[in-house]
Amino acid sequence: EVRLVESGGGLIQPGGSVRLSCEVSGFSVSRNFVSWVRQAPGKGLEWVSVIYTAGTKYYADSVKGRFTISEDNSENTVYLQMNSLRVEDTALYYCARGGGVASNLGNFDYWGQGTLVTVSS
Amino acid sequence: DIVMTQSPDSLAVSLGERATINCKSSQSVLYSANNKNYLAWYQQKPGQPPKNLIYWASTRESGVPDRFSGSGSGTDFTLTISNLQAEDVAVYYCQQYYSSPITFGQGTRLEIK
Repeated sequence: EVRLVESGGGLIQPGGSVRLSCEVSGFSVSRNFVSWVRQAPGKGLEWVSVIYTAGTKYYADSVKGRFTISEDNSENTVYLQMNSLRVEDTALYYCARGGGVASNLGNFDYWGQGTLVTVSS
Repeated sequence: DIVMTQSPDSLAVSLGERATINCKSSQSVLYSANNKNYLAWYQQKPGQPPKNLIYWASTRESGVPDRFSGSGSGTDFTLTISNLQAEDVAVYYCQQYYSSPITFGQGTRLEIK
């Protein structure tokens, strides 16, 4: 059974940092695309970042230079290090399998339940 | 970036009737080399993560009822829900995975009339 479980969210002050975790079971993160997708309260979906084979990484322009995606293959876990946080980064952060642009794995077929990040003073 | 625009923003349909949601991309998401449209549809119910319904514009995910169908090519796509059921109340999103960054439509809220 495929499962993705996010953790690490909370209340963070503007300019602060937090690291989100996405613990995966049922597939190997080293052989799949794993993305972070966020949803601000009452708003739509926004793709944030993807990591895949050999550690290739891509980011949305809105987070480039501030967020870093990484993976630990031994723990089958994907991380999102979020620095220089802004109020507009407040959202429910989902991890999902997929996000491979121009590939057979571009759609997101499995999602976690999300972890809430609130950036506020 | 490819902009995905859905219409309408919301709609109300009677039980048993058909709901139609449109999605238009600012540029084609059809890859000519394999004749595939890099377009997916999702359903999101309150308090739940999105659920993938359709990929390649018209291929249903395993377990998705055949009441849900996707059509279209190039820049214009449609999600059709036939014989609307109460459990279909949700927000629906289209998504392109043709080019980076991946982008979603703004969502269409479906309610029961």
